[in-house]
Amino acid sequence: GESVGLHLPTLSVQEGDNSIINCAYSNSASDYFIWYKQESGKGPQFIIDIRSNMDKRQGQRVTVLLNKTVKHLSLQIAATQPGDSAVYFCAGGGGNAGGTSYGKLTFGQGTILTVHP
Amino acid sequence: DADVTQTPRNRITKTGKRIMLECSQTKGHDRMYWYRQDPGLGLRLIYYSFDVKDINKGEISDGYSVSRQAQAKFSLSLESAIPNQTALYFCAKSVQETQYFGPGTRLLVL
Repeated sequence: GESVGLHLPTLSVQEGDNSIINCAYSNSASDYFIWYKQESGKGPQFIIDIRSNMDKRQGQRVTVLLNKTVKHLSLQIAATQPGDSAVYFCAGGGGNAGGTSYGKLTFGQGTILTVHP
Repeated sequence: DADVTQTPRNRITKTGKRIMLECSQTKGHDRMYWYRQDPGLGLRLIYYSFDVKDINKGEISDGYSVSRQAQAKFSLSLESAIPNQTALYFCAKSVQETQYFGPGTRLLVL
């Protein structure tokens, strides 16, 4: 089955630096990946997603990179701010629309990002 | 899309008690999920439902049951709560492949 893991449980950066959070996945059938941000006391919040037919996608200050050869994805946060401090989860899923796997996600354990002013 | 609501937000109960956690969404999406989150761990799937007549076990369903009373509501029950069910519980819905989460219920079983 799918397993999704993270290389580092914690990451500390200075305000203004760029942050990179990494994630590995095991299921080659996974074709959809999401990054979530979870602030203390709140539910996970969608940040950005990417499909397996892409290797890069950009949002506002965030970029997700997907390397299918080594089953690795990363989240890059530009000019990290104190408000970016949170736990970041990657999640993977796949399947055809309407199928039993569609919409189901497997989550990694999370990386705690701490941004120092 | 943040229309997933959960009640209560916090709950303290005693071992052996039956409790129910409620989840609602207002936009008519079919697929809903219940997760448990423990410190230092990611989200683990308890149950999921693809429509009112479809209920499926997740990876940690033992000790839990669910009810999909209507498309908008998906409830999680602990029939006889035990201390190791102390955790943060999240409900989610999916819009196509993306899941959107409620604010969570913090449960303490004494």
